[in-house]
Amino acid sequence: EAQVTQNPRYLITVTGKKLTVTCSQNMNHEYMSWYRQDPGLGLRQIYYSMNVEVTDKGDVPEGYKVSRKEKRNFPLILESPSPNQTSLYFCASSPRSPSGVLKNIQYFGAGTRLSVL
Amino acid sequence: GENVEQHPSTLSVQEGDSAVIKCTYSDSASNYFPWYKQELGKRPQLIIDIRSNVGEKKDQRIAVTLNKTAKHFSLHITETQPEDSAVYFCAACHSGNTPLVFGKGTRLSVIA
Repeated sequence: EAQVTQNPRYLITVTGKKLTVTCSQNMNHEYMSWYRQDPGLGLRQIYYSMNVEVTDKGDVPEGYKVSRKEKRNFPLILESPSPNQTSLYFCASSPRSPSGVLKNIQYFGAGTRLSVL
Repeated sequence: GENVEQHPSTLSVQEGDSAVIKCTYSDSASNYFPWYKQELGKRPQLIIDIRSNVGEKKDQRIAVTLNKTAKHFSLHITETQPEDSAVYFCAACHSGNTPLVFGKGTRLSVIA
């Protein structure tokens, strides 16, 4: 089954304790992205990756890191989480057309609800 | 960069009535405009999209219209049903070149 898989789905942690949220897709998509969703603020992009070893900052990258060593995986790393990073996080991926154009249709993971105390 | 404004933030309609959600975008180079529906506790899912070479697209009870001159696009849901209750997000981008930029969302409640 084609899917984007995030783990964990729920996480409670404490300020300053490094954590990683994993994201994996089995659709061979080039483009992957991380969003955070907060009430009244919609979906805000944290980082995105157009392909392996290519990552770019989104609108709210502060306090986050990502890596794209393999096509299928795009982990989100919080080196020193703070309470303002309490949020619902979504990973998404998109394919490219045979001609190489990004198709922009985003397939979302199920989400990770993070609480930082 | 692109900026997408979405209105209203909340919308309540009676079952069977129509609902309209409006978005404006800032970048005239944007040419792809999708709408996503997010049911409570679930992930956003694409429900309809439109590209800048067409002015309207329909899929059963939902339709999207695009006015490139005014840089706005709208989602229309007719004959609303309780299962249409969800948060709806519009988005815009220059397809193939830039990431999607989302609006802040509209919480639609359909009252039976």
